[in-house]
Amino acid sequence: GAVVSQHPSRVICKSGTSVKIECRSLDFQATTMFWYRQFPKQSLMLMATSNEGSKATYEQGVEKDKFLINHASLTLSTLTVTSAHPEDSSFYICSALSRRDTQYFGPGTRLTVL
Amino acid sequence: GDSVTQMEGPVTLSEEAFLTINCTYTATGYPSLFWYVQYPGEGLQLLLKATKADDKGSNKGFEATYRKETTSFHLEKGSVQVSDSAVYFCALYQPDRDDKIIFGKGTRLHILP
Repeated sequence: GAVVSQHPSRVICKSGTSVKIECRSLDFQATTMFWYRQFPKQSLMLMATSNEGSKATYEQGVEKDKFLINHASLTLSTLTVTSAHPEDSSFYICSALSRRDTQYFGPGTRLTVL
Repeated sequence: GDSVTQMEGPVTLSEEAFLTINCTYTATGYPSLFWYVQYPGEGLQLLLKATKADDKGSNKGFEATYRKETTSFHLEKGSVQVSDSAVYFCALYQPDRDDKIIFGKGTRLHILP
């Protein structure tokens, strides 16, 4: 079956640094990828929709200059958390949409900002 | 480990029919349970949730009851509309265990006019 990977699975960084998270569709091409954030004890929140070759579409309230998304190829999207702060600590999940409109989820990345 | 099992789709119904999408889970402890909906080409949206046994989540005419005795969280709607056509994901979340969310594989629903 289709597989989506995320790297790294866990990252700990200092406040003020930037962190890049990769999302890859391993055996299919994904023209659309989604980035979600899982707040502790809450539901998943859609952050942005990433389309290959074009600018990401951000949900209301999500700072596009804070969360930089690049969908460089049909199998790779990256989320960069710039100048990270402790409140950015969260679980970030990506998903990739196949050509058959099926969504496959990555395993998630745990970001801890000290 | 923890897991979520959903009925396989696609499910095709006529408008105004009764809908049930089955979801069962395997988990230790006391997870929170969610149903998310994905409309064509869009990201997930939270549909409803329940955080403890016997809780009933409801939204937009959809309901699901957290049944610990049967480890189930089946999604129901009394009268579906064409606009309900989407993919529905059941999910489990263990807030006290690494905050990870586990999804079912999704059930595609087609509603015919």
